[in-house]
This record gives sequence, structure tokens and C-alpha cells, in this order.
Amino acid sequence: EVQLVQSGAEVKKPGESLKISCKGSGYNFARYWIGWVRQMPGKGLEWMGIVYPGDSDTRYSPSFQGQVTISADRSINTAYLQWSSLKASDTAIYYCARLQYTSATNYIDYWGQGTLVNVSS
Amino acid sequence: SYELTQPPSVSVSPGQTARITCSGDALPNQYASWYQQKPGQAPVLVIYKDTERPSGIPERFSGSSSGTTVTLTITGVPAEDEADYYCQSADSSGTYGVFGGGTRLTVL
Repeated sequence: EVQLVQSGAEVKKPGESLKISCKGSGYNFARYWIGWVRQMPGKGLEWMGIVYPGDSDTRYSPSFQGQVTISADRSINTAYLQWSSLKASDTAIYYCARLQYTSATNYIDYWGQGTLVNVSS
Repeated sequence: SYELTQPPSVSVSPGQTARITCSGDALPNQYASWYQQKPGQAPVLVIYKDTERPSGIPERFSGSSSGTTVTLTITGVPAEDEADYYCQSADSSGTYGVFGGGTRLTVL
């Protein structure tokens, strides 16, 4: 059974750094792209970027380029999303997801449970 | 940046057919998928590659594509299908994904 298990909820202050994780199991983690999706309170889904654990190739949505860092460690089947300096506007639920990804299609077939990040002074 | 456009809301009575559209310039060249999200839950894939239905998704969910518009159709909608629905595709080069703004389906 494919599973993506994310790290727990975080409460941080503006300016702090943060790294959240997503551990995959039940499939060959290195061979599928992992994506991160943001959902701000009461709002829709936003595609942030993706990483290929096999070679750490990373692609960011233009809106998130330079704002976050996406990475993966294939040796422990884990992907990461990190911030160097959080803002209050980063408050959201963050989902990791497994992608079926080619040049003609990309879609998410499995989702993590979500990690709530609350940034408040 | 590239955008997908969905109606904010659609309302139907139980047993009727709901149609939710999604428009985008790159849709003739990029497949679309659809996700259902209920309150407090992660999204669930209900349609991929415009028309394909994952295993375990009821047959009442179907997808279609015509030019720059894709459509999610739910036939004989039960109350349990009340949720937010999001289309998703990619920019014309397939480099990054994009979601539509979401459509709240209300079953009156």
C-alpha cells in the first residue's frame, strides 16, 4: 500500500526557519516525483514545486521559486519542504503528494495527510 | 503565469447531473485531472488524463475534453458528493503544474 506520512503540525514565529518532511512507503520512492501543494486557510490548492528523489531534480512553480526549498533523500525515502525565514503569510496546510509525471501529463495519485504550519508572533 | 479557470460554485439537487468546467489555453496540449476535497480532508483523485477514472472511484464520475475546456460530470449526484472540486494540469511546456481555483459543489 502506497503511503505518504508527513511530519506534525508546527507553530513558528516570523523570521524562523522550518523544514517539514514527507516519508514514502509501499513503492519505489526514488522513481516517482514528489510534489508539494499549499492550501492557505479557506483557500484553494496551489502547486509549489516537485522533486525527483532518484537524482534530486527539482522544479518550482514561478510563484514559489526562491521562496522555499524542496529536496529529497532517497536513502530514507523522505522528501522535504523548507523555509529560511517564515512569514505570517506562510500559514497554511502543506500537502506532499506522489506524482505521475511526464511532459504531456502530470497528476497526483497519492496524497499525504497534510502538515499545518502556523506562523504567528 | 498560467491559469486554469473554474466557476466558484455549482448547485444541483440530489439525483441530478452536475457539470463543472475548467478552462485553460494549454489544455489542448496537456492532460487535466480532477480532485475532490471534503472539509478537513486531503484531496482525492477522481479523474486523470482528461477521462480516466482511478480504481475505486464510482462510475458516476466522468471527464471530457473539448479544445481549451475540460469538464467533470457527476451523474445522479448523491448528497455525499458535496465537496470542493479542483482541476489540475500543467503549463504548455509541462514544466510545472497548476490548479484551478476550485468549485464548491452544493447538493441542495
